[in-house]
Amino acid sequence: EVQLVVSGGGLEKPGRSLRLSCIVSGFTFGDYAMSWFRQAPGKGLEWVGFIRGKDYGETAEYAASVKDRFTISRDDSKSVAYLQMNSLKTEDTAVYYCARGSSSHCGGDCYSDYWGQGTLVTVSS
Amino acid sequence: DIQMTQSPSSLSASVGDRVTITCRASQGISNSLAWYQQKPGKAPKVLLYAVSRLASGVPSRFSGSGSATGYTLTISNLQPEDFATYYCQQYYSPLSITFGQGTRLEIK
Repeated sequence: EVQLVVSGGGLEKPGRSLRLSCIVSGFTFGDYAMSWFRQAPGKGLEWVGFIRGKDYGETAEYAASVKDRFTISRDDSKSVAYLQMNSLKTEDTAVYYCARGSSSHCGGDCYSDYWGQGTLVTVSS
Repeated sequence: DIQMTQSPSSLSASVGDRVTITCRASQGISNSLAWYQQKPGKAPKVLLYAVSRLASGVPSRFSGSGSATGYTLTISNLQPEDFATYYCQQYYSPLSITFGQGTRLEIK
């Protein structure tokens, strides 16, 4: 059974940092891209970014709203994906989800087929 | 960025009804379109990908169609568990994956 468990959310002040983890099981982690999404309270879904699988150099792409502040990484030996969030802003307040990409490359062929439960990040002074 | 315009934003229907939700892309997305269902407090769940391919375990009353810039999700014979919010997503542009604004399907 495929499972994704997200952790690391909480309350943080503007300008500070937070790291989310997504621990997966039930599939060969290194064969898939991993994506992060977020959903502000009462709002729709927003793509944050993804990291490709090892066959594609584990390169990452980011939404413009988080580029240069957020970094996605992965540790295939532990089956974990990370979202490092720096220079947090109040508008980063959201539930953050990790999801498995349907391919390793995510080159126009990559929807999200399994999702974790989400973790709430609140950025407030 | 590719903009996804989804309509309607909300919809009321009864059990047994057939409903259609539309999504229009600001440019061609070569059928790289998925539909997700989200219930309150839960993660989204993929229903369809590549426009019309049913995800594993999804009932056949869900169907998708469309091409180029216009796509639809149709739910036939609505069931009580189908009342939720639905999102379209384009994944054609890997540098900017975008969603529609969502359609809230409510019980009439």
